[in-house]
Amino acid sequence: DGGITQSPKYLFRKEGQNVTLSCEQNLNHDAMYWYRQDPGQGLRLIYYSQIVNDFQKGDIAEGYSVSREKKESFPLTVTSAQKNPTAFYLCASSSVVGGFLNEQFFGPGTRLTVL
Amino acid sequence: QKEVEQNSGPLSVPEGAIASLNCTYSDRGSQSFFWYRQYSGKSPELIMFIYSNGDKEDGRFTAQLNKASQYVSLLIRDSQPSDSATYLCAVNDYKLSFGAGTTVTVRA
Repeated sequence: DGGITQSPKYLFRKEGQNVTLSCEQNLNHDAMYWYRQDPGQGLRLIYYSQIVNDFQKGDIAEGYSVSREKKESFPLTVTSAQKNPTAFYLCASSSVVGGFLNEQFFGPGTRLTVL
Repeated sequence: QKEVEQNSGPLSVPEGAIASLNCTYSDRGSQSFFWYRQYSGKSPELIMFIYSNGDKEDGRFTAQLNKASQYVSLLIRDSQPSDSATYLCAVNDYKLSFGAGTTVTVRA
């Protein structure tokens, strides 16, 4: 089955700890994205990558880091510098045609709770 | 001004009625527009996309785009309880910008 997988589904973190959220896609998409969603809110872009070994900050990158060593994988690290990390984290991917981004497909999400 | 704005909702409609969702965007250069549905606790799923001015129909869903007015809408005909969800409008420039969403409740 083609799609996007995220793990874990639920994650609990103590204050001061770094945690890494996994995102893998087998859709052969060039572009991948990380969003954060807070209750009753829309999606806010954290980081995105349109090509391997390259990524750009989104609107709320502070306290987060990413890597894109493989086309299929785009892990997100939530560092201790992120002051309010409890949220629903969504990974997405899309193909790029002629420089234009096509529709994004989303993984099932990871719900992070800081204790 | 936010890049993408949606009518705030929540929107409550009786079963069988038409639900009308509106979205405006600020970037005149935007080329493509998407509507996603998100059930509570789940990730968004794509239901419609539209690139050209006018209407695009897919089953009970119709997307309408007016680039001159920077306006895109979604109509849900014959609303069903299973349509109860939050609907997100997204606009594409070099990245996808999302509105805050409109929550729709279909009353049986």
